[in-house]
Amino acid sequence: QVQLQESGPGLVKPSQTLSLTCTVSGGSISSGSYYWSWIRQPAGKGLEWIGRIYTSGSTNYNPSLKSRVTISVDTSKNQFSLKLSSVTAADTAVYYCAREKGDYMDVWGKGTTVTVSS
Amino acid sequence: QSVLTQPPSVSEAPRQRVTISCSGSSSNIGNNAVNWYQQLPGKAPKLLIYYDDLLPSGVSDRFSGSKSGTSASLAISGLQSEDEADYYCAAWDDRLNGWVFGGGTKLTVL
Repeated sequence: QVQLQESGPGLVKPSQTLSLTCTVSGGSISSGSYYWSWIRQPAGKGLEWIGRIYTSGSTNYNPSLKSRVTISVDTSKNQFSLKLSSVTAADTAVYYCAREKGDYMDVWGKGTTVTVSS
Repeated sequence: QSVLTQPPSVSEAPRQRVTISCSGSSSNIGNNAVNWYQQLPGKAPKLLIYYDDLLPSGVSDRFSGSKSGTSASLAISGLQSEDEADYYCAAWDDRLNGWVFGGGTKLTVL
């Protein structure tokens, strides 16, 4: 049973870079034809897809965030990561990582709250 | 403003049936599969329906999905209090080259 767990700082200062890691357990991040995604949800609001990475390193990003987002994968650690630069209060949200199997996200992490504040 | 349009809220009595709509366009729902996610209060989203109308293992058959053209629907029959949650539709958007979600629908079981 594959499980995902997000980790990283819960507080980030404005203009700095938000960095989160998603650790995959119960299976290899390299096995199978999966994409690995990041999604976020501001408090009381809906879901917003941030971007995804294939184990080959190929990425897709939300056009509205593309200039600030970098997603990478470390197969040796069974992890993938998110970096979001130049953050503002609008980036305060719960951040989820998820596995894409085919055309749907079938496994989600529990989420981690990131607050942008000085 | 979400790319996919859902009603903000729906409500119905226990044991009744409710439907939640999701409207999109030819670049998303009209050309790609629709998935539905259930988000219980304080929890992560959970896959509820995939490929328009398929149920993942373990999901109650009280849930069903359908799609026609650029719109999709989620139906829940035999409503129970445990169904109170936020429901999101999602689809890949060919024009944006990314996933798009509906704004979410809050289901209240009266």
